[in-house]
Amino acid sequence: AQSVTQLDSHVSVSEGTPVLLRCNYSSSYSPSLFWYVQHPNKGLQLLLKYTSAATLVKGINGFEAEFKKSETSFHLTKPSAHMSDAAEYFCVLETGNTGKLIFGQGTTLQVKP
Amino acid sequence: DGGITQSPKYLFRKEGQNVTLSCEQNLNHDAMYWYRQDPGQGLRLIYYSQIVNDFQKGDIAEGYSVSREKKESFPLTVTSAQKNPTAFYLCASSLQGNQPQHFGDGTRLSIL
Repeated sequence: AQSVTQLDSHVSVSEGTPVLLRCNYSSSYSPSLFWYVQHPNKGLQLLLKYTSAATLVKGINGFEAEFKKSETSFHLTKPSAHMSDAAEYFCVLETGNTGKLIFGQGTTLQVKP
Repeated sequence: DGGITQSPKYLFRKEGQNVTLSCEQNLNHDAMYWYRQDPGQGLRLIYYSQIVNDFQKGDIAEGYSVSREKKESFPLTVTSAQKNPTAFYLCASSLQGNQPQHFGDGTRLSIL
């Protein structure tokens, strides 16, 4: 069975400190993985995607994620948090060529001044 | 500017009423999707369409219906059969089924 687990429902960091949002996946196939961000009452915006090319994926706004097959993980990181990074983050697994997506439960990132 | 437009932003429904949520895209995308989001949960797929005049049920299609008569439009009807319709509804599109999805800003549906 294919699934996505976000290990933290809520992460709080201080502005200027590193961000780590954790995601594990389960897939029978070579996975396509995404991270999306959602600000309150808004749609989702694509941060980055992994599609079996480089294992370290760079995205927008200084975010990056590393695909680790041995650990079935796809954690999202950013060296220095900004107040505008406060939002909900979703780790997403694509199930096949139909584009059907499996969403994690989401991680709320709080950034304190 | 290309994008996905969902309307209205807020919608209220009386018991027993059907309501239709609009989703329009000018990205020339083939595939379109409807998701439901409940508080503290990820998104769940309601219906999706990979081509005009064709659509498939997602994981939670009961109580919903869709049509895809035009490439640009994928309206969702929440019928009276949907017993718990209060949620945030998101529409998305992608160039093809295996490309990243682009999302609209959502419609929040509430029951009066």
